[in-house]
Amino acid sequence: VQLQESGPGLVKPSQTLSLTCTVSGVSISADTYYWSWIRQPAGEGLEWIGHIYTSGRTNYNPSLRSRLTITVDTSQNQFSLKLSSVTAADTAVYYCATIPVATSQGFDFWGQGTMVTVSS
Amino acid sequence: DIQMTQSPSTLSASVGDRVTITCRASQYISSWLAWYQQQPGKAPMLLIYKASNLQSGVPSTFSGSGSGTEFTLTISSLQPDDLATYYCQQYSDYPYTFGQGTKVEIK
Repeated sequence: VQLQESGPGLVKPSQTLSLTCTVSGVSISADTYYWSWIRQPAGEGLEWIGHIYTSGRTNYNPSLRSRLTITVDTSQNQFSLKLSSVTAADTAVYYCATIPVATSQGFDFWGQGTMVTVSS
Repeated sequence: DIQMTQSPSTLSASVGDRVTITCRASQYISSWLAWYQQQPGKAPMLLIYKASNLQSGVPSTFSGSGSGTEFTLTISSLQPDDLATYYCQQYSDYPYTFGQGTKVEIK
């Protein structure tokens, strides 16, 4: 499994941050994984953002739920993150990652991460 | 939210030393705990899952133990490539949460 994040590296305050994770090596339709987003501000720890299952069922971090949408596009083998009304506090490296559904092993595959800066 | 607390925050050890990192959960999480290694400038990598299971491809110098609220990650013989920050993470309940990290330095 390989994951690759993509999206703008700079977002203006109050706008919407949009990122896509392109999946290769496995079909996103295969019900094999929870498709997850995690972020890490520079020099800080990791924060789980949320995840989506192939059925479209989602779990979001309550701290972000009011601004967050995660979707899956099976035709493109991608899943996406939208975070609205961003502020400087949303500046971070954003990772996509997977959790196996059957074995609950933790986040076993990660993308390389993409840096997003919120600034005018 | 379940709070995960790691200790120490930083440790310095010599090549060949045995190193232990502790992670405490603010409430019972059974064995739903993972450990990750994050080398500088890289994405985290899964080392241990379900508290004590070694992820495929991870050297056997890494081991995990514990259940309930207290867990440990042990590196039996520290190697130069182990320079990294280590994180614990609970997946017992939403939202999933991580410890603040333990930075391992090589003397």
